[in-house]
Amino acid sequence: KNEVEQSPQNLTAQEGEFITINCSYSVGISALHWLQQHPGGGIVSLFMLSSGKKKHGRLIATINIQEKHSSLHITASHPRDSAVYICAVRFRGNEKLTFGTGTRLTIIP
Amino acid sequence: ETGVTQTPRHLVMGMTNKKSLKCEQHLGHNAMYWYKQSAKKPLELMFVYSLEERVENNSVPSRFSPECPNSSHLFLHLHTLQPEDSALYLCASSQQGGVHEQFFGPGTRLTVL
Repeated sequence: KNEVEQSPQNLTAQEGEFITINCSYSVGISALHWLQQHPGGGIVSLFMLSSGKKKHGRLIATINIQEKHSSLHITASHPRDSAVYICAVRFRGNEKLTFGTGTRLTIIP
Repeated sequence: ETGVTQTPRHLVMGMTNKKSLKCEQHLGHNAMYWYKQSAKKPLELMFVYSLEERVENNSVPSRFSPECPNSSHLFLHLHTLQPEDSALYLCASSQQGGVHEQFFGPGTRLTVL
């Protein structure tokens, strides 16, 4: 069964802390996406990756294909990083995206 | 600005009303998607259009009727909805085929009374 699991479901941290959000999936994939959804609903694509690591500003995404696991890291977290972070994968042989339930991140000043 | 716009942003309708949601993309993409996001549930794919043809209908009730008149526009026509249809409806677009990033609109927050 094609499944995507994220952890934690909710995360509250102090400003400046290093944040890690995890995503695990069940079978082989062709791509994994990290998305950010702010209050109000709009979704922004942060990363699309199929191997290794990508970095954009304070955000870093890594993927371990053998372990079927990806992490999203935020360095020097800031209250404006407060949002829901969603992992979505495209399982091999299936062009549809399968979404995790999201991680709600709150950064306290 | 994501290049994908949706109108209206908020909609309240009664169960007997007929309304339409509109999505427009300015990115030159040729695939468009409707997703439903209910509270505490993952995004659910509803419909996919590729090159203006419907290629996916994910067991969506017939009270939701999509329309894709051209590669830049996508509509979701609503009629005789139920209160459990209240959700955020998100439109996205991408290049069709292969592995391509999807770009999302801001969503329409729908409340059915």
